[in-house]
Amino acid sequence: KQEVTQIPAALSVPEGENLVLNCSFTDSAIYNLQWFRQDPGKGLTSLLLIQSSQREQTSGRLNASLDKSSGRSTLYIAASQPGDSATYLCAVRDDYKLSFGAGTTVTVRA
Amino acid sequence: KAGVTQTPRYLIKTRGQQVTLSCSPISGHRSVSWYQQTPGQGLQFLFEYFSETQRNKGNFPGRFSGRQFSNSRSEMNVSTLELGDSALYLCASSLGTTGGNIQYFGAGTRLSVL
Repeated sequence: KQEVTQIPAALSVPEGENLVLNCSFTDSAIYNLQWFRQDPGKGLTSLLLIQSSQREQTSGRLNASLDKSSGRSTLYIAASQPGDSATYLCAVRDDYKLSFGAGTTVTVRA
Repeated sequence: KAGVTQTPRYLIKTRGQQVTLSCSPISGHRSVSWYQQTPGQGLQFLFEYFSETQRNKGNFPGRFSGRQFSNSRSEMNVSTLELGDSALYLCASSLGTTGGNIQYFGAGTRLSVL
């Protein structure tokens, strides 16, 4: 059974600091890994998808890396802003479903 | 292009009742999946549908059921509601079922069982 762990569970940083969010998974037989953002009481917004054959993906201030062999992914958010405050979830895709971590709740202080 | 639409957004039911939630996927998407989100268990997979067929089901009791229509819209039904069914129910759609397909999520239906 796939287990996905996100560390830390919560993070508070001043505006402008870079964010580093970690995700680990136990079964390397994955199709892809997605990072999502969830605002309180809302659904999930897809941020980045990394295919199992890829090492990283970038979108604007966001960069995600994937090391499938070691079961790790890292999401970097450069120059954080108060609007980045949210819960960030990573999810790995097997043949039919996403398995999610519990998320990292980020607070960016102005 | 409209995103994934879930209705209703909020529901309040009492124990023993049944409920139906609806999901309209992004136009052209044929795969719909459902997830349950609770503070204690996080996000858990419920079902996956593709072309009106349930392809997979998560570890939930038979009270949870679903279906997909020919226009790819999907419904899920929960019968004999229990307090523990209170959760945010999320629907996701994608073009297909292969691993390269991004899953796009709706805003969810918040179900409260009293």
